[in-house]
Amino acid sequence: KQEVTQIPAALSVPEGENLVLNCSFTDSAIYNLQWFRQDPGKGLTSLLLIQSSQREQTSGRLNASLDKSSGRSTLYIAASQPGDSATYLCAAMILTGGGNKLTFGTGTQLKVEL
Amino acid sequence: DGGITQSPKYLFRKEGQNVTLSCEQNLNHDAMYWYRQDPGQGLRLIYYSQIVNDFQKGDIAEGYSVSREKKESFPLTVTSAQKNPTAFYLCASSISGQGGYGYTFGSGTRLTVV
Repeated sequence: KQEVTQIPAALSVPEGENLVLNCSFTDSAIYNLQWFRQDPGKGLTSLLLIQSSQREQTSGRLNASLDKSSGRSTLYIAASQPGDSATYLCAAMILTGGGNKLTFGTGTQLKVEL
Repeated sequence: DGGITQSPKYLFRKEGQNVTLSCEQNLNHDAMYWYRQDPGQGLRLIYYSQIVNDFQKGDIAEGYSVSREKKESFPLTVTSAQKNPTAFYLCASSISGQGGYGYTFGSGTRLTVV
């Protein structure tokens, strides 16, 4: 059974700092890994999707890497801003006979302070 | 704009009542999913549907039921058999249930038992 872990559970940083969020998964036979952002009381917004054949994806100040062999993904946020404050979730997808299945981590709650 | 609409945003249920959460998408996606989110836990899959008139149980289907009569709609009924229904419910869709397509999420429904 796939298990996804995110460390740290919470993180507080001053504005402008570069930071790294970690995600680890137990089953390396993933098809892709997706990073989401969730604001309080809201749904999930997709940030980046990395296919298993890729090593990284970039979007603006965000960069996500994937190392299947070690079961790890990282989300790098450059020059953090207060608007980046949110919970960040990673989710690993595997393909089963019944279709794809996405397993989520419990998230990292990020606070960027002025 | 294409997207997923969940309604209502807040829902209150009395003990012993069945309630239905609505999920509509205009993305022309084949696959749709229902997740439950509890504080401190990752999202857990309740039910999913890869095509119209077909759906499968997820990891925590007991006490829930769904239907998929139209491609655009995937309503979730929380029955009186669900012993702890208070949670945040999220609906998602993807182009297909096969292959590694990304998920798009709705804004969620918060259900509270009173």
